[in-house]
Amino acid sequence: DAGVIQSPRHEVTEMGQEVTLRCKPISGHDYLFWYRQTMMRGLELLIYFNNNVPIDDSGMPEDRFSAKMPNASFSTLKIQPSEPRDSAVYFCASSWWSASSGNTIYFGEGSWLTVV
Amino acid sequence: GENVEQHPSTLSVQEGDSAVIKCTYSDSASNYFPWYKQELGKRPQLIIDIRSNVGEKKDQRIAVTLNKTAKHFSLHITETQPEDSAVYFCAASGGSQGNLIFGKGTKLSVKP
Repeated sequence: DAGVIQSPRHEVTEMGQEVTLRCKPISGHDYLFWYRQTMMRGLELLIYFNNNVPIDDSGMPEDRFSAKMPNASFSTLKIQPSEPRDSAVYFCASSWWSASSGNTIYFGEGSWLTVV
Repeated sequence: GENVEQHPSTLSVQEGDSAVIKCTYSDSASNYFPWYKQELGKRPQLIIDIRSNVGEKKDQRIAVTLNKTAKHFSLHITETQPEDSAVYFCAASGGSQGNLIFGKGTKLSVKP
């Protein structure tokens, strides 16, 4: 399997622009996660889906952030409008089943976002 | 919700020495505790994990211990090598949830 695939790998955008990050989970995985990594806050869980349904979005920082999973093989994380403090690495990850059942979460290579 | 504390935030050791990283968690319902290694500019990758019905697990130079009563777990790396230099994250399953909550990470530096 090719693993979790994310795009774009790097994006530089101007403040106020819309940013869309994309993710293809590992085939057959029922759980999909979006994490944000910064030096100050570490790895933060933004939102996760089970069978395409959002389960917990309490980590989404504010209304500027939205995430969708229209089907089992695709998810997007959108920031509109973007701000410099959104600059971070955004990781998508997936797992076959629930972490509480001891299932490993596999990370994509990340999308490095810089908002200037 | 679950909260994971990780210490120390940085750790420097001489090659060949041992390194220990400790984590505590808050939710007694958590039952899965993986450790991830992240090299500079790369993705976090699983190196070892432990489930709540096990007290210790070993894989070559790496071992994890779990104390469910005290709600803490530790990563032990023996005979450290320069290639062990990376950021290590502990995590705990979010109680009965499907997610993982991560500690803030430990930057390990192994000096040759």
